[in-house]
Amino acid sequence: GESVGLHLPTLSVQEGDNSIINCAYSNSASDYFIWYKQESGKGPQFIIDIRSNMDKRQGQRVTVLLNKTVKHLSLQIAATQPGDSAVYFCAESHTGGFKTIFGAGTRLFVKA
Amino acid sequence: NAGVMQNPRHLVRRRGQEARLRCSPMKGHSHVYWYRQLPEEGLKFMVYLQKENIIDESGMPKERFSAEFPKEGPSILRIQQVVRGDSAAYFCASSPPGRSTDTQYFGPGTRLTVL
Repeated sequence: GESVGLHLPTLSVQEGDNSIINCAYSNSASDYFIWYKQESGKGPQFIIDIRSNMDKRQGQRVTVLLNKTVKHLSLQIAATQPGDSAVYFCAESHTGGFKTIFGAGTRLFVKA
Repeated sequence: NAGVMQNPRHLVRRRGQEARLRCSPMKGHSHVYWYRQLPEEGLKFMVYLQKENIIDESGMPKERFSAEFPKEGPSILRIQQVVRGDSAAYFCASSPPGRSTDTQYFGPGTRLTVL
C-alpha cells in the first residue's frame, strides 16, 4: 500500500552543525509534501512544504529537497539548535485526494 | 488568532465507557481532519470532514467510532464502549476552504487513557 517512510529513526547532531533528515515515499501520484515538527506532548507543527513542480524550497534555516526520480524527500536544518530537538515527520498527499499520509518520524537530538 | 483547539487535553475512561473528543478549527477553516497517534509512531489518518459532511472516513474503524462536524459548534470524535487499545493521542487538524491538500494546522491533541 501507500507509505511514507524514513531512513533513520534517530539522529544525533552537535549544536551548530547541519542536520539532514531523509524520507522515502512510494506513491508516485503524490504531488504535495510537508515536513512537520512535533515536540513532546504537542501537536505537529508545520515547518515547510513543497509541491512536485519544484525540487527545492528554502525557509528560515530549513531547506526541503525533492527528488521525484527516486521518490526521496529530505529536510535540511542549518546551524541546528537545542530547540530543534523533536520528532520530524514527512507527509505526502496528492491533488484530489483527502488523506495526508505520515511517515513514522525521525527523532532529532541536539547535543550542546 | 487562535489556533486549532482541542478539549479535553487528557481524558481517562474505563473500559466500556464513551469518549467524546472535541475540536474547534482555526477561524475561517472549514476542513477538519482527525488523526490517531500511538507512542513512538506516526499519525494515522482517521477521517476528513467538512461542515455537516463526512468526506473520507476510510481510516476510521467500522465499529464504535464516529465523527461529526455540525453547522454550529466543534467537530466531535466519539468512541463508544472504549477498549484499552483505544488509548492513544488523537489529533485534530484544520485547513482553509479550497484544496484539501492545503497545509493542515494541528491542535495540541487529546490523550485518551483507557483503564
